[in-house]
Amino acid sequence: QSALTQPASVSGSPGQSITISCTGTSSDVGSYNLVSWYQQHPGKAPKLMIYEGSKRPSGVSNRLSGSKSGNTASLTISGLQAEDEADYYCCSYAGSSTWVFGGGTKLTVL
Amino acid sequence: QVQLHESGPGLVKPSETLSLTCAVSGYFISSGYYWGWIRQPPGKGLEWIGNIYHSGSPYYSPSLKSRVTISVDTSKNQFSLKLSSVTAADAAVYYCARGGGRWELPYFDYWGQGTLVTVSS
Repeated sequence: QSALTQPASVSGSPGQSITISCTGTSSDVGSYNLVSWYQQHPGKAPKLMIYEGSKRPSGVSNRLSGSKSGNTASLTISGLQAEDEADYYCCSYAGSSTWVFGGGTKLTVL
Repeated sequence: QVQLHESGPGLVKPSETLSLTCAVSGYFISSGYYWGWIRQPPGKGLEWIGNIYHSGSPYYSPSLKSRVTISVDTSKNQFSLKLSSVTAADAAVYYCARGGGRWELPYFDYWGQGTLVTVSS
């Protein structure tokens, strides 16, 4: 069970859109529609932003959206704002009641 | 409002056992859902450690399975983590969270604030 692969960093200017990829295998991301995404600001606990691939919890901005194609899940943030600057982690069900996280992506708003 | 709060020693000696407890308020563990532990070494990413169902069935990360024990105490509305034979590689912020079930709450929706555990003699 290896960590899901995310780019170490992405950046964008205010108002732009960015996409963070999360690549797994046919044993995790590819087999289940159970990818969730978490936002983490420095020194804070992670916060759930997307679950079951594309669903947003109450209170999460509709500027965030999730999708999946094959073994890769993606998080897109449109209309970038300064407050979006944070680390983002994907997480997928990996079978046999186990879970695997991605390595994390640092989003910088230029 | 569901709240989780981790507690335990912030310093553990190498080869000893790390023990943490997560106290839950605003929700009765006995009502359902899975409850999990996730850790984050300083400057690194999140790592799932394991989950336990409210009725007591635990599941562990394959890489930690030989050293981890997660248990639940519904009478105290808390669940616990024990990690044996710790090394410097186990130093991390440890989070407890609600969720991680395959069929119900397949995500982690409420998290504790995290507790830093240092491994040093």
